[in-house]
Amino acid sequence: QSVLTQPPSVSGAPGQRVTVSCSGSNSNIGAGYDVHWYQHLPGTAPKFLIRGNNNRPSGVPDRFSGSKSGTSASLAITGLQAEDEADYYCQSYDYSLSGWVFGGGTKLTVL
Amino acid sequence: QVTLKESGPALVKATQTLTLTCTFSGFSLTTSGMRVSWIRQPPGKALEWLARIDWDDDKFYSTSLKTRLTISKATSKNQVVLTMTNMDPVDTATYYCARMRSYYGSGSNQYYFDYWGQGTLVTVSS
Repeated sequence: QSVLTQPPSVSGAPGQRVTVSCSGSNSNIGAGYDVHWYQHLPGTAPKFLIRGNNNRPSGVPDRFSGSKSGTSASLAITGLQAEDEADYYCQSYDYSLSGWVFGGGTKLTVL
Repeated sequence: QVTLKESGPALVKATQTLTLTCTFSGFSLTTSGMRVSWIRQPPGKALEWLARIDWDDDKFYSTSLKTRLTISKATSKNQVVLTMTNMDPVDTATYYCARMRSYYGSGSNQYYFDYWGQGTLVTVSS
């Protein structure tokens, strides 16, 4: 069981908007620790997508955005493209575990 | 250009000690604020943070694995080494190294991983 909970899968048609949720608790997201997001294609290096809830590094399209509220966070992808098909992970810090924690990952399928 | 690459044995036997090396380029672990972490992912399971080493040689370990882990750095070689003792089949996983960055926000230091290696699969046989 992951400390951060994500849906196992989401899907959407090209051009649509999808969201990936990340649910935590008062010892991580709810304690004020930011949520960061990664995109991963199996066999490749995970790619850093968003830090600090909604800050994108250069090169990441603005179709990707993040938000946080209470003990949860979300990644939104608009204008879905075939190349977005990948696994997405959220990450934060948990003070009760004294360590960095990840969600279980969400597989995005572009229909 | 920042790159990281993991290397080590693909197969180890139960009870043996695993040694993994992360060789990186594009930054130096002598630079203030630079950190490298190890993270693993068992097949079909979630990512799990294992250990972190900082430019000033501060070290941090997963509380559940700290008795088995040692992280070190060889700055002249741009390498970070992770050893894990008493390997078990449940330790079968893809092991990643990643550069860790920080910023101050929401009242505390926040940490994230901005560059990752491709990972190396380690299988533990019984």
